[in-house]
Amino acid sequence: EVQLAESGGGLVKPGGSLRLSCVGSRFTFSNAWMSWVRQAPGKGLEWVGLIKSNSDGGTADYAAPVQGRFTISRDDSKNILFLQMKSLRTEDTAVYFCATAALFCDGGGCYWRYFDTWGQGTPVTVSS
Amino acid sequence: DIQMSQSPSSLSASVGERVTITCRASQSITRDLNWYQQKPGKAPKLLIYGPSILQSGVPSRFSGTASGTDFTLTISSLQPEDFATYYCQQTYDMPWTFGQGTKVDLK
Repeated sequence: EVQLAESGGGLVKPGGSLRLSCVGSRFTFSNAWMSWVRQAPGKGLEWVGLIKSNSDGGTADYAAPVQGRFTISRDDSKNILFLQMKSLRTEDTAVYFCATAALFCDGGGCYWRYFDTWGQGTPVTVSS
Repeated sequence: DIQMSQSPSSLSASVGERVTITCRASQSITRDLNWYQQKPGKAPKLLIYGPSILQSGVPSRFSGTASGTDFTLTISSLQPEDFATYYCQQTYDMPWTFGQGTKVDLK
């Protein structure tokens, strides 16, 4: 069974930094597009960003609220996805999930991306 | 950014009822639309993608349809384990946005 496990969450003061990790197992991590999604207390899901596989360029994209403050990276040798968070704000308080962005392909080509596997989430609290 | 408008935001239903949730995209997203189910304290679970392809292991009472920029998730006969919050998501263009969610609870 494909598995993802996040770690690194905790309490941090506004303006502080934190690095989250997500370890993948039982799939070819290096081929996967990986994403971070967060959920503030009592709120809906918010896409944070994504990193493509290195074979697809290895580039990252971010949601506007975190652009310039968060950095997504990956270590394919260790099957680990990272989310480096800087200049944290109280509104960054959330549970952070990592997910694999699978691609549906058939004989006619490849079509859609979807999050087929999620980690259990790691909570981040930004508070003084 | 593409906005996903999901409705209703909540609904109350009984076991056995047919439930329909709608998601409207602010522009064309072709068929890059997914549906997830989330229960309290748990990670979301993929139900449907493409937007009518049932993820492996998902009961056949769940179905999805698309018409232009309008997408629908239907639960044909609500079961006790279906009480949860449902989200749509577009993966047509970055940023990949979610709808605001629909909470389904017991009438």
